[in-house]
Amino acid sequence: EAGVAQSPRYKIIEKRQSVAFWCNPISGHATLYWYQQILGQGPKLLIQFQNNGVVDDSQLPKDRFSAERLKGVDSTLKIQPAKLEDSAVYLCASSLEGQGNYLNEQFFGPGTRLTVL
Amino acid sequence: AQKITQTQPGMFVQEKEAVTLDCTYDTSDQSYGLFWYKQPSSGEMIFLIYQGSYDEQNATEGRYSLNFQKARKSANLVISASQLGDSAMYFCAMRGYDYKLSFGAGTTVTVRA
Repeated sequence: EAGVAQSPRYKIIEKRQSVAFWCNPISGHATLYWYQQILGQGPKLLIQFQNNGVVDDSQLPKDRFSAERLKGVDSTLKIQPAKLEDSAVYLCASSLEGQGNYLNEQFFGPGTRLTVL
Repeated sequence: AQKITQTQPGMFVQEKEAVTLDCTYDTSDQSYGLFWYKQPSSGEMIFLIYQGSYDEQNATEGRYSLNFQKARKSANLVISASQLGDSAMYFCAMRGYDYKLSFGAGTTVTVRA
């Protein structure tokens, strides 16, 4: 079974530029997550989708970050305009089920390492 | 809100020895799940082991075991017979009533030959 795919793996941009990340979850997984992992910290949830609807985006900086999951499969996370503090690894994860199960194992992609200069 | 604390930024362990990674948590939820993930230098998060708050037995998965002490709110990970491939960052995480996964800051493990 193919894992969670993400692209690009690395991206370097200048502040105030825009950038987009793409995620393809495991086939059949209804739930998709985007996390931000700043160097030296654990991942922080940015947004959670259940099929193509948003379940939780309470920690998404909506003035500059946006995300969509059209057709309930692939997802795109965009930053516009980028700031220096957005430098981080952006991880995408997917799981088979939504809420209701504490185990609900999440499978993570390799991440996109963003550097903002 | 949940808070996960991992107090060991980095640890060294000799190959074939065991290592214990500390994790304490704070929550007001009565029911919750505790997780450990491994993050090698390649970046992906690899699920290792899970413990439910009402599970009476400590979880084990191969060389990984979780030392769960509910009254102390601790969920330490024990890696037995360390291998060079165990060198990575390890994260403790928790999911409570809101079903969000909250991570600690992580512990870097370096296995020496």
